[in-house]
Amino acid sequence: QKEVEQNSGPLSVPEGAIASLNCTYSDRGSQSFFWYRQYSGKSPELIMFIYSNGDKEDGRFTAQLNKASQYVSLLIRDSQPSDSATYLCAVYNNNDMRFGAGTRLTVKP
Amino acid sequence: DVKVTQSSRYLVKRTGEKVFLECVQDMDHENMFWYRQDPGLGLRLIYFSYDVKMKEKGDIPEGYSVSREKKERFSLILESASTNQTSMYLCAIGDTSTDTQYFGPGTRLTVL
Repeated sequence: QKEVEQNSGPLSVPEGAIASLNCTYSDRGSQSFFWYRQYSGKSPELIMFIYSNGDKEDGRFTAQLNKASQYVSLLIRDSQPSDSATYLCAVYNNNDMRFGAGTRLTVKP
Repeated sequence: DVKVTQSSRYLVKRTGEKVFLECVQDMDHENMFWYRQDPGLGLRLIYFSYDVKMKEKGDIPEGYSVSREKKERFSLILESASTNQTSMYLCAIGDTSTDTQYFGPGTRLTVL
């Protein structure tokens, strides 16, 4: 069974802080890695994807991938109350996308 | 921008009814998916399709069927709705150039 694990949270951070979201996966052959944001009652929306080991930055978001440790993370700098949502990690291999159950993030003003 | 639409945002049906959920995309992607999402269980794949008239079972196909007669349209059918099919249903399209999936707005189905 290919698994994607996330801490369900809730993770609470003060406004302006860095939020760190983590994800581990079991399929060593995984090729592509994604972070989605999902507001309550809405569908997931793509934040970013990463394919190679290391960091990838997009605005306030940084994705980090370590394939040897089977670990991917998302850092949100200068967190805003509008970042409060559930963040889903997804892992792709050979036409098979697996999602974690998500981490609920709350950013307090 | 990728656009995926679903026929209804909210739907209430009775046990035993046949239910049709429709998904339409405007980007000419081959790959389309149906998921359901339940609290604590995350997204679970019901069916997917790689081309017109082609379908593959996902992890939880029991109680569901699908139809893809045209490339832009992928329908999920609940042959005889049951209360345990109350859920959020999400359609997604797959961009094969980036392996990315993009989701429609979702249909929250309640079966009474």
